[in-house]
Amino acid sequence: GENVEQHPSTLSVQEGDSAVIKCTYSDSASNYFPWYKQELGKRPQLIIDIRSNVGEKKDQRIAVTLNKTAKHFSLHITETQPEDSAVYFCAPNTGTASKLTFGTGTRLQVTL
Amino acid sequence: DTAVSQTPKYLVTQMGNDKSIKCEQNLGHDTMYWYKQDSKKFLKIMFSYNNKELIINETVPNRFSPKSPDKAHLNLHINSLELGDSAVYFCASSRLGLGDTQYFGPGTRLTVL
Repeated sequence: GENVEQHPSTLSVQEGDSAVIKCTYSDSASNYFPWYKQELGKRPQLIIDIRSNVGEKKDQRIAVTLNKTAKHFSLHITETQPEDSAVYFCAPNTGTASKLTFGTGTRLQVTL
Repeated sequence: DTAVSQTPKYLVTQMGNDKSIKCEQNLGHDTMYWYKQDSKKFLKIMFSYNNKELIINETVPNRFSPKSPDKAHLNLHINSLELGDSAVYFCASSRLGLGDTQYFGPGTRLTVL
């Protein structure tokens, strides 16, 4: 099965700063790389995803970069705002395997 | 319109009881899932069904039994509840399976006393 690690486990930044969360995976056949955001007491929701045929994808203040050779992908949030405070999960997978592993989560705290 | 719904939202029960959680999606998706999120926020997949067929069955106690009467519904029945079953249980669905966006329900907070 897929071994998935996320770093850091907690991250505190000041409003306006950038935040980067890294997800490392083990299965070289992985081809779908999503990031989910879970606000306190809410459900996880997809915020951005990337497939293995591209190296980077951007959506306003958030971006995801993929390094397939090194088997990691990262979530980048620029100009952070208090509403970015949440737990972020990665979930790399092959799309066809019978297993799906979520990362252990990164708690991002954006302070004023 | 609610895309993925779960009932109940909260469930408080005694050890040893049997309980069920219901999930419905109106997105027309083929694949549905059950996840368990513990107090440390780890999100772990338990089961997945594709068009009423079981495709993921992680190592969970056989006290947990999923049932999919049709592709829009995936229910979770838990027998002989234990203290360690206390968690938030999320239902989710996706259009094409694992390699596609997962849409989560609001969660059911189960507390076993």
